[in-house]
Order: sequence, then structure tokens, then C-alpha cells
Amino acid sequence: DVKVTQSSRYLVKRTGEKVFLECVQDMDHENMFWYRQDPGLGLRLIYFSYDVKMKEKGDIPEGYSVSREKKERFSLILESASTNQTSMYLCASSNDLGYGYTFGSGTRLTVV
Amino acid sequence: GQQLNQSPQSMFIQEGEDVSMNCTSSSIFNTWLWYKQDPGEGPVLLIALYKAGELTSNGRLTAQFGITRKDSFLNISASIPSDVGIYFCAGRIQGAQKLVFGQGTRLTINP
Repeated sequence: DVKVTQSSRYLVKRTGEKVFLECVQDMDHENMFWYRQDPGLGLRLIYFSYDVKMKEKGDIPEGYSVSREKKERFSLILESASTNQTSMYLCASSNDLGYGYTFGSGTRLTVV
Repeated sequence: GQQLNQSPQSMFIQEGEDVSMNCTSSSIFNTWLWYKQDPGEGPVLLIALYKAGELTSNGRLTAQFGITRKDSFLNISASIPSDVGIYFCAGRIQGAQKLVFGQGTRLTINP
């Protein structure tokens, strides 16, 4: 079964900390995505990558950065965590958008 | 960024009832997808649609690709408790590098 694995299900971090969210896929997919999900706001795209070392800003990139050094791994970085970044973070990957994305199980991040 | 208009935002129904939800857009899509998200999990693909007018079923779920290519519908028949969750529509515009998502429909079922 194809898989997208997010390293943590739950994280609690302090304001101002640097936070790394890791995502690994085993499907040799070209495209990887990071979304955040908040009640009533749906899925909002933070960043995506269509190749190693390539990245594109999504709709809400402020306060975030990403890294894709290897094809299978896409990391989301919160440079200085703030309470308004408390959210559910979802990673996804895709080779052919016609077949949609495969999502990870999500990381619920709480910044205190 | 662009989003699809998905309605209703939430539904509260009795077990056994049928459910309908839909998504509309001002843009033409060449692919429509429907996902379900169980509580505490990531979304999982339910149905994919590729042609205008296409009607596809997956068990008790049936989805349609609108004739205008600007809308899609999902129906769930005879709902059961495990249907609880958030349903998302998603669409792909020709040549786009990413999908566009609806805001989701939260389904709650009273036993």
C-alpha cells in the first residue's frame, strides 16, 4: 500500500521555537504539498514542490519555509512558532494530478 | 487562492437518511475528486471523475461530473454511523500543478 508518513501525530511547542514537520512518501512521487487545516477554512496550501530542491509558494506561505533535499522527503519549517500557527498540518504527494493526492495522517501542532 | 464553493458546510442527519452535497466553480475543471476525512486522520480519495456527465459509484456513494464542467455532486444513500466525517471536493484545471479544494462538508449522524 502506498504511504505518506508524517513523523508526528501530535506536537506541542513553545512560542518562538523553530519547528520541523517531516513528511516522507514511498511512492516515488514528483509532487509534494503542505496544507494547514482549520475549522471553517478548509485546506489551505502553504507550499508545494514539483521536484527535488524546487519549491513554490502556496496561498499562505508567510511564517513558513520548506526543504526538499531528497525526492521522498518534504519538510515544513516554522522559523519562529507563533500561537496562530496552532493547526492541523497535512502533507500530500502526487505523481499524476488526475489521480489526486495521497495524504498523510496529519500532525496536530499546538503552539503555547 | 482559488477555492471551490462547497455546500452545505455541515449536515446533521438521522441514520438511514440519504445525503447530498455539491461543489461549484467559476472555472472549468477536467477532473473532479471527492475525499473523505475521518476524525483525526488525513483525507482519503473516494471517487474520481474525468468526463462531463460521468456518473460513478463506490458502494453507497455516487458522484457526478456536471455537464458544464463547473460543478460536481456527491450522494450517500442510507447513511450509517461510519459515514461521519468531513467530505471535500477537489478539482483540477487543465495544466495546473495543484488541485483546488472545497471548504468541506461536515457530516454528523444521529443514531
